[in-house]
Amino acid sequence: QVQLVESGGGVVQPGKSLRLSCAASGVTFTYSAVHWVRQAPGEGLEWVAVISFDGSITYYADSVKGRFTISRDNSKNTLFLQMSSLRPEDTAIYYCATAPPRDDPYFDNWGQGTLVTVSS
Amino acid sequence: EIVMTQSPATLSVSPGESATLSCRASQSIGKKLAWYQLQPGQSPRLLIHGAITRATGIPARFSGSGSGTEFTLSISSLQSEDFAVYYCQQYNNWPPWTFGQGTKVEVK
Repeated sequence: QVQLVESGGGVVQPGKSLRLSCAASGVTFTYSAVHWVRQAPGEGLEWVAVISFDGSITYYADSVKGRFTISRDNSKNTLFLQMSSLRPEDTAIYYCATAPPRDDPYFDNWGQGTLVTVSS
Repeated sequence: EIVMTQSPATLSVSPGESATLSCRASQSIGKKLAWYQLQPGQSPRLLIHGAITRATGIPARFSGSGSGTEFTLSISSLQSEDFAVYYCQQYNNWPPWTFGQGTKVEVK
């Protein structure tokens, strides 16, 4: 079982940048693809980005492509989301979630989320 | 992109009763469907994957069925902790991974 703890959220002005972190404990993190998923106020879940277990492959939702960058440091069991050119519509709780290694890509472990508010 | 549609948006159920939630995919996804539970202030929790397989530690009152484009999550004998929002998600065609808009199960 992997434990995930997000951090780095806060209030930021439109156009600015913010970096989120997701600290993982549990041996399977380094073998797992990891995702960012967000939930805007009053809305449902939206997939944001994914990174492969070794960091070699990344994919992004169209809504964040070119503005967000996902990365990981397996030596520190940490996932990152660098967010730039932030917009009010990026306001959401951001969750990190792992996919089980060597299995189908559903999301088996989730963090508690960190709130990002984009407002002037 | 595969669009996932859940119904109803809200389900009012009395404790101890059963609930049936529906999820439809815009094209066939086989059995590549997961269900998640989200309670306010808590982490989302995986309930079902592969359309029918309960995740580790999930009570037997939760069951999933379906394949192709039509799926169902059934909850028997609703407990207080089951009142929450439930999301279906497809992982057959990605990226993107796509979720339904959610079904809120509330106390009647």
